[in-house]
Amino acid sequence: EIVMTQYPGTLSVSPGERATLSCRASQSVSHELAWYQQRPGQAPRLIVYGASTRATGIPDRFSGSGSGTHFTLTISSLQSEDFAIYYCQQYNKWPKTFGQGTKVE
Amino acid sequence: EMQVLESGGGLVQPGGSLRLSCAASGFAFNTFAMSWFRQAPGEGLEWVSSISNGGAVINYADSVKGRFIVSRDNSNRILYLQMDSLRVEDTAVYFCAKDSTAYSSGWSNVWGTGTTVTVSP
Repeated sequence: EIVMTQYPGTLSVSPGERATLSCRASQSVSHELAWYQQRPGQAPRLIVYGASTRATGIPDRFSGSGSGTHFTLTISSLQSEDFAIYYCQQYNKWPKTFGQGTKVE
Repeated sequence: EMQVLESGGGLVQPGGSLRLSCAASGFAFNTFAMSWFRQAPGEGLEWVSSISNGGAVINYADSVKGRFIVSRDNSNRILYLQMDSLRVEDTAVYFCAKDSTAYSSGWSNVWGTGTTVTVSP
C-alpha cells in the first residue's frame, strides 16, 4: 500500500498570510493526487485533483503542484473559512490512501 | 445540484450488523462509480469500498474484506453498504462519495454529510 505522509501536522498562520502544505508518497503516484478540505463536523470537500487542477467553485487562492512523490497545496492569502484540516489522497493504486492531515489553524 | 445523503447508522453490539444507504440526486448515478469512506473519532479519512457504475468491479479495504458488502441499485439511485460481524474498531462516521470515473479510478467530487456507526457492548 502507498503511504501518504503530510507535513506539518499543524500549521499556525494568520488571516491574509500564505500557507504551504506538503504531501509525500512512499512511491510515485504520477499526477494522481487530490486534496480535500474538511471543516469541523463537515464532510470533506474536494479542492484539487490531478495534483494541480482546482475543483469546481474553488477560489484561485488555492493552488496545487507536484508530481511523482512530492506535492504541495498552497493557499495564497488565508481567509477565515480556510481554517480546516486538509488531506491529500492518492488514487494511482489500490487501496486509495490518505495522508494523516494537516490542520491549518 | 449533485448530492448524496447517507442513512442507516446507529448503535450496534460487536458481532452485529447494519446496512447503510446512500441516496443520490442531481447526476447520472449509473454513469459513475461510488465509494464508501469512514472516519473514526478524532482520526483521518479511510477508504472502505468502491463499486463501479454497473456494479461489476468492486474493491474493499483489507480491514473490511469478508465482512462488508457494497452494492448499488441504479434504478433507484441508491448505494448500499452491508456491514456484518461489526467490531468496536468499525466505529466511525461513514461517508458516501461519488467518484469522478465509471470504474472508481479517480477522485471523489461529491460527498455526503455522513452517518455515524457506533459499535459498543
